[in-house]
Amino acid sequence: DAKTTQPNSMESNEEEPVHLPCNHSTISGTDYIHWYRQLPSQGPEYVIHGLTSNVNNRMASLAIAEDRKSSTLILHRATLRDAAVYYCILRRPGSARQLTFGSGTQLTVLP
Amino acid sequence: DTEVTQTPKHLVMGMTNKKSLKCEQHLGHNAMYWYKQSAKKPLELMFVYNFKEQTENNSVPSRFSPECPNSSHLFLHLHTLQPEDSALYLCASSALTSGGGETQYFGPGTRLLVL
Repeated sequence: DAKTTQPNSMESNEEEPVHLPCNHSTISGTDYIHWYRQLPSQGPEYVIHGLTSNVNNRMASLAIAEDRKSSTLILHRATLRDAAVYYCILRRPGSARQLTFGSGTQLTVLP
Repeated sequence: DTEVTQTPKHLVMGMTNKKSLKCEQHLGHNAMYWYKQSAKKPLELMFVYNFKEQTENNSVPSRFSPECPNSSHLFLHLHTLQPEDSALYLCASSALTSGGGETQYFGPGTRLLVL
């Protein structure tokens, strides 16, 4: 799977939007962009995924650049419970089944 | 609540002990995984099972022995571990698809300490 680059850490104020960036300049045309998050002392949790178009679900939105070399996870109103490590992962159809986790972005939400 | 369960939550064992970690899912998934998360390191895949058959062994030492008796249960048998094996062991499951949209569901993990 292609490599992703994320900032090590970000801060946000409670109830404000958060934009978590991810660069994936070597993405292939069939790679899906997945986001997971890991809350303290828990296993990772699926957040959202997309291929080309922007995606929304109850947890977040995913904005994908037109050239697909970057994407942004958007939390519309951060809460203290959103403090977690956020991972951006590329998945290629037919590839090995595991998820390849990087170091992710540690999001701190300030009250 | 998590739909992938793992027991025990915490485990302390000596280097000569034998213990087992258990993972269970009732999501109807047919792929199950073991990951290891050491302090300050990214998650590392250990094993993958598809339809009860092991399809991936990520160069894991033989002191870790997985077992998948059916699609709902996965075990990790531990034998003569080393202190550096202390970590959070995570189980995950997924429904096999041919596309790249397959998502994995993780359990809460077992925190292992080897003395």
